[in-house]
Amino acid sequence: AQSVSQHNHHVILSEAASLELGCNYSYGGTVNLFWYVQYPGQHLQLLLKYFSGDPLVKGIKGFEAEFIKSKFSFNLRKPSVQWSDTAEYFCAVNRNQGGKLIFGQGTELSVKP
Amino acid sequence: DTGVSQDPRHKITKRGQNVTFRCDPISEHNRLYWYRQTLGQGPEFLTYFQNEAQLEKSRLLSDRFSAERPKGSFSTLEIQRTEQGDSAMYLCASLQGGSLYEQYFGPGTRLTVT
Repeated sequence: AQSVSQHNHHVILSEAASLELGCNYSYGGTVNLFWYVQYPGQHLQLLLKYFSGDPLVKGIKGFEAEFIKSKFSFNLRKPSVQWSDTAEYFCAVNRNQGGKLIFGQGTELSVKP
Repeated sequence: DTGVSQDPRHKITKRGQNVTFRCDPISEHNRLYWYRQTLGQGPEFLTYFQNEAQLEKSRLLSDRFSAERPKGSFSTLEIQRTEQGDSAMYLCASLQGGSLYEQYFGPGTRLTVT
């Protein structure tokens, strides 16, 4: 069965630190990859997505992610975090555009001012 | 565009009771999804519709769960004979097929079974 693993359960950073959140998936075929964010008290929002093409994708709020097919990874990065980036981040995958999403367990990011 | 809405936002029920949740997708979104999220976990897929048709249902889903989307607009999720293990956040998402394939999520319904 497909699965998505996020290795960091809780990450604590100071403002201006660089961020990298790991995501690995288990499916060997063609996949579409997503990062969603959930700010405190808000609903899930899409940060960025990868369907095909350039494996380095840029999303909103300065986030980017790199798809490395050989490593089955789609890690999320941001060069300099802000206090407002405090949220829970979820990696997700699906096999068909418009199909069900399989989510990782999430990484809680706390940014200290 | 008012976003995906869900009602109620919170529901407390006693074990054994039936509950029903409603989801209103973004207008003209033809796909609608239900997910369940428990504390410390990512959302888990339950079922999804394209228009009125239920295209997929999770094999992990108990027969006590049923979902409908009778007119291809709003959807309801019913849980019969609730159990304490059903306590979770129930999320709805919608998507406009043929577009950017982004699922837009609603705020969720938090169910507590006592």
